[in-house]
Amino acid sequence: ILNVEQSPQSLHVQEGDSTNFTCSFPSSNFYALHWYRWETAKSPEALFVMTLNGDEKKKGRISATLNTKEGYSYLYIKGSQPEDSATYLCASPKGKLIFGQGTELSVKP
Amino acid sequence: ETGVTQTPRHLVMGMTNKKSLKCEQHLGHNAMYWYKQSAKKPLELMFVYNFKEQTENNSVPSRFSPECPNSSHLFLHLHTLQPEDSALYLCASSQESGAFSYEQYFGPGTRLTVT
Repeated sequence: ILNVEQSPQSLHVQEGDSTNFTCSFPSSNFYALHWYRWETAKSPEALFVMTLNGDEKKKGRISATLNTKEGYSYLYIKGSQPEDSATYLCASPKGKLIFGQGTELSVKP
Repeated sequence: ETGVTQTPRHLVMGMTNKKSLKCEQHLGHNAMYWYKQSAKKPLELMFVYNFKEQTENNSVPSRFSPECPNSSHLFLHLHTLQPEDSALYLCASSQESGAFSYEQYFGPGTRLTVT
């Protein structure tokens, strides 16, 4: 993998559903993996910065895992709420921070 | 409120105009960034300043000219832009630029339309 790729591109879930999405990144010379949340008409907001293989971070109902050897990270949201609706971006540095295209999450009440 | 402000929030300019975007951070960070987001594309880094020195110019056309007078302020001067330069321009800051373990704090962006 040469770029940072995210899947799926968009996701529609019902309130209360748990969901997860994937970020794939180049595994060679890994340094860090960033997750950001970007709500419409607001600024992107950092969720996690992960640096260690096997790391797991949690913020409220949101958690993330990291596998640097195979080059992927998962973001999990437990019991999705409408306020979780946003685009979730991941980014990994290769000389500069390279962003994925994002996963657009829509949570219906 | 992330501690990073940008003005103006919206800008419409003709191809022959000269305008500037302003960014200010109140976080005591040493690195500042300009990003561009075009429709349906990932965020794309344009420029990086670390301790007021430009450390990255991501092959940006010379019609975009950055200026960083101090660690708290960053400008993007625009002149003779093209319609394809219409995009959302985001400013960000972080503690330092070389250590990618620092999260970045983003401003709300300037929506630029070139007519």
